[in-house]
Amino acid sequence: GNSVTQMEGPVTLSEEAFLTINCTYTATGYPSLFWYVQYPGEGLQLLLKATKADDKGSNKGFEATYRKETTSFHLEKGSVQVSDSAVYFCALTPNSGGYQKVTFGTGTKLQVIP
Amino acid sequence: GAGVSQSPSNKVTEKGKDVELRCDPISGHTALYWYRQSLGQGLEFLIYFQGNSAPDKSGLPSDRFSAERTGGSVSTLTIQRTQQEDSAVYLCASSTLAGAHNEQFFGPGTRLTVL
Repeated sequence: GNSVTQMEGPVTLSEEAFLTINCTYTATGYPSLFWYVQYPGEGLQLLLKATKADDKGSNKGFEATYRKETTSFHLEKGSVQVSDSAVYFCALTPNSGGYQKVTFGTGTKLQVIP
Repeated sequence: GAGVSQSPSNKVTEKGKDVELRCDPISGHTALYWYRQSLGQGLEFLIYFQGNSAPDKSGLPSDRFSAERTGGSVSTLTIQRTQQEDSAVYLCASSTLAGAHNEQFFGPGTRLTVL
């Protein structure tokens, strides 16, 4: 079956530090890959996505590149802010017709301190 | 436009009681999902509805849990004879099958506390 593995948190960084949250996946074929973010007290929202190999998703200064050869979709940001403190979830959905069940990672909590 | 809404936002109940949680998906979204998020944990898939197809119930943790989706829109998740371990935030999401790369839109969740 499909699976997503994320680095365990929490990750604590100082403001303006560089962020990497690792994500690797197992899936048949060519899934679409996503990063969702959950700010404190809120529901999840899509941060970025990539739908084919070598695609780069980007939003709000965050980036992730779909690496088929390493089955990875690591999230990066060059300079984090306190407002980036949240839980980040890596996810995939199979591109297999009408069935669109999403598989989520366990989430990585990021805490940015001033 | 309106997003996914869930009600109630908070529910406190006594052990052994039944509870119903409601989800109103985005209009026109054919897929609807329920997840459970326990304190400090990731997302646990519960059930998935897609149009008129039979739902994928493979994530329901026990037969005390059931869900229905009426008219392809509103969904209700029912937990019978609640237990303390059922305490969690229950999240609903909806999506549309536009291409094969659908984004899930999440509601704010219902925080369930079983005393």
